[in-house]
Amino acid sequence: NAGVTQTPKFQVLKTGQSMTLQCAQDMNHEYMSWYRQDPGMGLRLIHYSVGAGITDQGEVPNGYNVSRSTTEDFPLRLLSAAPSQTSVYFCASSLQAPYPDTQYFGPGTRLTVL
Amino acid sequence: AQSVSQHNHHVILSEAASLELGCNYSYGGTVNLFWYVQYPGQHLQLLLKYFSGDPLVKGIKGFEAEFIKSKFSFNLRKPSVQWSDTAEYFCAVLGEKLTFGTGTRLTIIP
Repeated sequence: NAGVTQTPKFQVLKTGQSMTLQCAQDMNHEYMSWYRQDPGMGLRLIHYSVGAGITDQGEVPNGYNVSRSTTEDFPLRLLSAAPSQTSVYFCASSLQAPYPDTQYFGPGTRLTVL
Repeated sequence: AQSVSQHNHHVILSEAASLELGCNYSYGGTVNLFWYVQYPGQHLQLLLKYFSGDPLVKGIKGFEAEFIKSKFSFNLRKPSVQWSDTAEYFCAVLGEKLTFGTGTRLTIIP
């Protein structure tokens, strides 16, 4: 098992550009989520999904979209990047839904918005 | 509202010292509790978790944590730290939702 994979590892964007952060898991987990990690603020939940076709907003959803067309994939879209979105983004998955059990984290994507 | 507090932002210890990192939460119902660790340049991984039963939970690498319901606490402990324990530690609470603390950076001096 590869676990949770994320691409790209690093990305630099200009303000206003859009892009998609990819996340995939091969553990047949129902629950998937996106977090951003900022210094002194820990991890904050952006969006989550309890299964294919079902998504919901987390703590900081503004400026981000998600979709879950398959169990394996959970891409995060930045619609119009802003410097405030400079952060490290982690995707995580968990076997259970709707209440997440142990989270398995991907390696992260470090995003810089200029 | 549910919240998690980690009061120690940065802890510096010498090797072989004992460690205790604080985690307090606010939530009136049943909770599941987690400690995650993030080594430099790596992603988060689970250290230990509490769901039910014995409130003293043992995890990997000699870590343990004790759930004290009356104090709404789930402090992480290790009797003797090593240089390789240098990392950031996150407490997380699953009540109505999964909430992470802001993390504690642990630096071990050889």
